[in-house]
Amino acid sequence: KQEVTQIPAALSVPEGENLVLNCSFTDSAIYNLQWFRQDPGKGLTSLLLIQSSQREQTSGRLNASLDKSSGRSTLYIAASQPGDSATYLCAVHNTDKLIFGTGTRLQVFP
Amino acid sequence: KAGVTQTPRYLIKTRGQQVTLSCSPISGHRSVSWYQQTPGQGLQFLFEYFSETQRNKGNFPGRFSGRQFSNSRSEMNVSTLELGDSALYLCASSLGNEAFFGQGTRLTVV
Repeated sequence: KQEVTQIPAALSVPEGENLVLNCSFTDSAIYNLQWFRQDPGKGLTSLLLIQSSQREQTSGRLNASLDKSSGRSTLYIAASQPGDSATYLCAVHNTDKLIFGTGTRLQVFP
Repeated sequence: KAGVTQTPRYLIKTRGQQVTLSCSPISGHRSVSWYQQTPGQGLQFLFEYFSETQRNKGNFPGRFSGRQFSNSRSEMNVSTLELGDSALYLCASSLGNEAFFGQGTRLTVV
């Protein structure tokens, strides 16, 4: 049974820092991995999608990597801003459904 | 291009009642999935529909059901509501591998 874990559960940093959020999964047989952002009480915003054949994807200040063999993905956020404050979720796509991690709650203070 | 639209945004129901939630996917997307999000269990998969057929179902009781129409719009129904059904219900549509989520319906059962 696929299990997805995110570390750390919460993170509070000053503006300008570079951050790494971690996601690990137990079964490497995934179609792809997707990173989302969720603001309080809101839906999920897709940040990056990494196909199983890819190693990384970049969008602006965000870079996500995928290592299927070790069951790990990282989301790198460069030069963090207060507007980046949110919960970040990773999800693995496995047989027509997404299996989510528990999320990392990020707070970036000025 | 319009995103995924969920209605209503908020609902308050009494135990024992039933409720129907609606999801309009992004135009051209034929796959619609539903997820339940609670503080204790996180995001859990309910079911997935593709071209009016349920392709996958999560581990929820039979009180949770859904359907998809020929225009890809989907509804989910919960009968005999329980207090534990209080949650944020999220709908996602996808074309290929990437999932796009709506803003969710916040259901409160009193």
